[in-house]
Amino acid sequence: GIQVEQSPPDLILQEGANSTLRCNFSDSVNNLQWFHQNPWGQLINLFYIPSGTKQNGRLSATTVATERYSLLYISSSQTTDSGVYFCAFEYGGATNKLIFGTGTLLAVQP
Amino acid sequence: EPEVTQTPSHQVTQMGQEVILRCVPISNHLYFYWYRQILGQKVEFLVSFYNNEISEKSEIFDDQFSVERPDGSNFTLKIRSTKLEDSAMYFCASCLGYEQYFGPGTRLTVT
Repeated sequence: GIQVEQSPPDLILQEGANSTLRCNFSDSVNNLQWFHQNPWGQLINLFYIPSGTKQNGRLSATTVATERYSLLYISSSQTTDSGVYFCAFEYGGATNKLIFGTGTLLAVQP
Repeated sequence: EPEVTQTPSHQVTQMGQEVILRCVPISNHLYFYWYRQILGQKVEFLVSFYNNEISEKSEIFDDQFSVERPDGSNFTLKIRSTKLEDSAMYFCASCLGYEQYFGPGTRLTVT
């Protein structure tokens, strides 16, 4: 099956710092999304980014499908950015279930 | 902005009891899903539902699980006889075609 790796697994930032989270996958994927799981466990949609670049406020994401990776940029981090960030995607043409990565645990300190 | 809702937010049940987790997907969406996340682990697919039938299910989705769309708005997951290992966060998601939107989850605790 497909391998997905998110890096780094853990990250501690001071408030105001920038960071880049990475999602690598071993084969072609479809419909890649990024999610933020907040400390209450809720999954928040961040980006639907099968290819190209999108920006939403302090967050932006880039997927280079041909090179099998996606990046999530967080600028000027805030304590409310803390939580786990997951990439997820569909794999294989006959299914539309999402396969989730193992996540990056981010802690932003004041 | 339309959103997926789930009830209850937290359910505690005893082993062997039946539970029904409820979801209201976004109204014009066509595809519906249940996922679960055991504490500290990644999110796993359980089942997808389209056109009033299951379109795909994972190995986790055994005979103890069932899904139903009893009316035009609700989508339910039933666990017939809960086990300790069913304790997890259960997420409902819906999709019109490409992007899946997730509900806030139901935290199920089986004691």
